[in-house]
Amino acid sequence: ETGVTQSPTHLIKTRGQQVTLRCSSQSGHNTVSWYQQALGQGPQFIFQYYREEENGRGNFPPRFSGLQFPNYSSELNVNALELDDSALYLCASSLAREADTQYFGPGTRLTVL
Amino acid sequence: KQEVTQIPAALSVPEGENLVLNCSFTDSAIYNLQWFRQDPGKGLTSLLLIQSSQREQTSGRLNASLDKSSGRSTLYIAASQPGDSATYLCAPEGVDSSYKLIFGSGTRLLVRP
Repeated sequence: ETGVTQSPTHLIKTRGQQVTLRCSSQSGHNTVSWYQQALGQGPQFIFQYYREEENGRGNFPPRFSGLQFPNYSSELNVNALELDDSALYLCASSLAREADTQYFGPGTRLTVL
Repeated sequence: KQEVTQIPAALSVPEGENLVLNCSFTDSAIYNLQWFRQDPGKGLTSLLLIQSSQREQTSGRLNASLDKSSGRSTLYIAASQPGDSATYLCAPEGVDSSYKLIFGSGTRLLVRP
């Protein structure tokens, strides 16, 4: 059984650019959630996708957007990058969209200069 | 709005000690509460999930309890080892439509040989 994987591992962008982060969910999981973790803080919920539909969103601006594909893999897109977007981006997958263990990937470290 | 507090923020103990990490949350309308471990710069590893109807869960040297009505959870680690050194995060899952995990800032644990 393959766990949650994310790519790339590290990424450096400049302010104003756009970035796409990718996540492959654990086998059989139809729900993917994305989190942003700033240095020294706990992760913050960005949004969740369930069977290719957005199923909840945290307090993030519209320049954070996402997709989920038929194989349940997912993308997080961030437009017009700002310095404060520098963080570890984590995705998590689960079998059900609620009340279920969430399994996290290793994360993508994004640095915005 | 759910708020999660973890005490202490940091803990340093000699190997072999039993220890307790505390988590408090403000909204008792939760499906469950998960405890995670995070090594520096890495993703999160799920340790235990306690459903809202449960009082505790055990896995090896770890025991987590949940008192939903008072908004408290504790993680007990028996006979601590240097390999237990990491940041421990608790995250209740709310019953609102976002089904999101809300994280505290974590407890940084150092177990000294």
